[in-house]
Amino acid sequence: AQSVTQLGSHVSVSEGALVLLRCNYSSSVPPYLFWYVQYPNQGLQLLLKYTSAATLVKGINGFEAEFKKSETSFHLTKPSAHMSDAAEYFCAVSTSGGSYIPTFGRGTSLIVHP
Amino acid sequence: KAGVTQTPRYLIKTRGQQVTLSCSPISGHRSVSWYQQTPGQGLQFLFEYFSETQRNKGNFPGRFSGRQFSNSRSEMNVSTLELGDSALYLCASSLGSPPLAGAPNTGELFFGEGSRLTVL
Repeated sequence: AQSVTQLGSHVSVSEGALVLLRCNYSSSVPPYLFWYVQYPNQGLQLLLKYTSAATLVKGINGFEAEFKKSETSFHLTKPSAHMSDAAEYFCAVSTSGGSYIPTFGRGTSLIVHP
Repeated sequence: KAGVTQTPRYLIKTRGQQVTLSCSPISGHRSVSWYQQTPGQGLQFLFEYFSETQRNKGNFPGRFSGRQFSNSRSEMNVSTLELGDSALYLCASSLGSPPLAGAPNTGELFFGEGSRLTVL
């Protein structure tokens, strides 16, 4: 079985500040990990993914995430927040050899203040 | 390459009615998954279809059903609508199987913009 926990349903930062969105996963086998972003009234869009290659993964819009097996974490960061980053962010986990259906976290709403 | 297309984008129904939502996946994708998104429950998996067969199913009542056609297009149906069925319904497509021999299927999904259903 696999599961995802996103700490904090809302995260508020000032424009230009560091963005840190937390994700911890549980998986009995090596996982594939994803971050998706959802803008208002839109579907989810893939930000980045970890598929057992480099542990530091770079995605679109300046976001990156680091896979830490010892901490079972895959936190999403961005050095400097922009107003356009305000959105809902979802962490997801899937595993090879399974049903290929990813399990999603509850989501974290990122609020960016001017 | 065209993305995932969902129709209609918005619709309003009354309790007791039924609704059918449509999803056209990315060309070449054989798997279509459906999710219900509400503010209180987040993203909840409804079901997944692969090559016209339901391969996975979430924990939803039988009022929620779906099907997939030979061209991979999918529809989902909700019968006897309830107020609690008001939600954004998201369709996602994926390859559904390893793209190359020996290569993993990572489960990456490509989402449509959703169909927002309001039940009055």
